[in-house]
Amino acid sequence: EPEVTQTPSHQVTQMGQEVILRCVPISNHLYFYWYRQILGQKVEFLVSFYNNEISEKSEIFDDQFSVERPDGSNFTLKIRSTKLEDSAMYFCASTPGQTSTDTQYFGPGTRLTVL
Amino acid sequence: GQNIDQPTEMTATEGAIVQINCTYQTSGFNGLFWYQQHAGEAPTFLSYNVLDGLEEKGRFSSFLSRSKGYSYLLLKELQMKDSASYLCAARDTGFQKLVFGTGTRLLVSP
Repeated sequence: EPEVTQTPSHQVTQMGQEVILRCVPISNHLYFYWYRQILGQKVEFLVSFYNNEISEKSEIFDDQFSVERPDGSNFTLKIRSTKLEDSAMYFCASTPGQTSTDTQYFGPGTRLTVL
Repeated sequence: GQNIDQPTEMTATEGAIVQINCTYQTSGFNGLFWYQQHAGEAPTFLSYNVLDGLEEKGRFSSFLSRSKGYSYLLLKELQMKDSASYLCAARDTGFQKLVFGTGTRLLVSP
């Protein structure tokens, strides 16, 4: 069964460094999302992406964040200058379309630790 | 504004039935989703409702009342492996982001 994959599974970085989190959505899906979950808290929406551009973003997704689909398969989240409070699990999700029956499928996540 | 409420924690016994409630208030609504999440893992899709009524999938059922802003997830014949967090999420209109509740941690004991 097709699944969303993410790399790396765990990333440790120093405050102020740039990180790139990678995702490979399910191949025939057209809509892509990033969510994050700080330890012990709820899953929060960051950004949605469709047709090679951001379609919606949350207040969390400030100028330090960017997303890109550099080729036909990868979908990346870049954090330019990491802060301690960026430590969280980052989940990528994808969905085939926007009909009422389309479900978002989540990748296994990347645990980002900022020291 | 958007608000999803569900109980923080519930306990139940193996073989029993448990109902996890969720109430929501969202500016746009296009369906209610339930996900299961084991600690340190990704949410995995369980069930969704777009129209009012009950949807059954094996041991899991989900109910929606749009007029009341209310949903529940029913788990039957509980097994130890059902110990996990259960996330209620309302799907927004537009580009359909999911708005999650804080999750209900279910502990199943022998």
